[in-house]
Amino acid sequence: AQTVTQSQPEMSVQEAETVTLSCTYDTSENNYYLFWYKQPPSRQMILVIRQEAYKQQNATENRFSVNFQKAAKSFSLKISDSQLGDTAMYFCAFIPTSTGNQFYFGTGTSLTVIP
Amino acid sequence: GAGVSQSPSNKVTEKGKDVELRCDPISGHTALYWYRQSLGQGLEFLIYFQGNSAPDKSGLPSDRFSAERTGGSVSTLTIQRTQQEDSAVYLCASSLARSRRDYEQYFGPGTRLTVT
Repeated sequence: AQTVTQSQPEMSVQEAETVTLSCTYDTSENNYYLFWYKQPPSRQMILVIRQEAYKQQNATENRFSVNFQKAAKSFSLKISDSQLGDTAMYFCAFIPTSTGNQFYFGTGTSLTVIP
Repeated sequence: GAGVSQSPSNKVTEKGKDVELRCDPISGHTALYWYRQSLGQGLEFLIYFQGNSAPDKSGLPSDRFSAERTGGSVSTLTIQRTQQEDSAVYLCASSLARSRRDYEQYFGPGTRLTVT
């Protein structure tokens, strides 16, 4: 079975501080893609960052970076210098490349950035 | 360029009525997904279309749900005899074909369905 677990339903962080959102997953696949999506109150899902499982180097996108631990099946998201606009639901997801059709999403973490 | 669009943005319907939700994917994207997001929940996979292949309907919760994709582009999700538990946001996403090794999904803004 393919599952994604986000164990933090809600988190908060002070503006300009750093926060880490956790995500673990379970799969028997060896190659897959991992994603973090952001869903602000507007409902529009936006890709934050992605990681290819065969790449050991952690992906970074400006203030967003991941800590990808393949053996531990962990894919956490670090947000540095948090901004008010980062307030949103964050979803972790993966897609195994062998099937290439179904994405598996976690239940999300609601992040609030406090001024 | 234009992103994924969905219509209507909001739909209120009475229990027992049928509804149709529409999705216009990004031009050139051959893969199209429908998801359901209940209040405070994650995304529940409903159905997947890839080119001219038979759709993956494994996520449809009941036979009241069906979806079509005409001409490899626009898709319609139909819910017959709606029930109150069908109330949710229905999200559509599209992506490039697998052969492009690009699995990023581009999401539409969703349709909020309320069944009264």
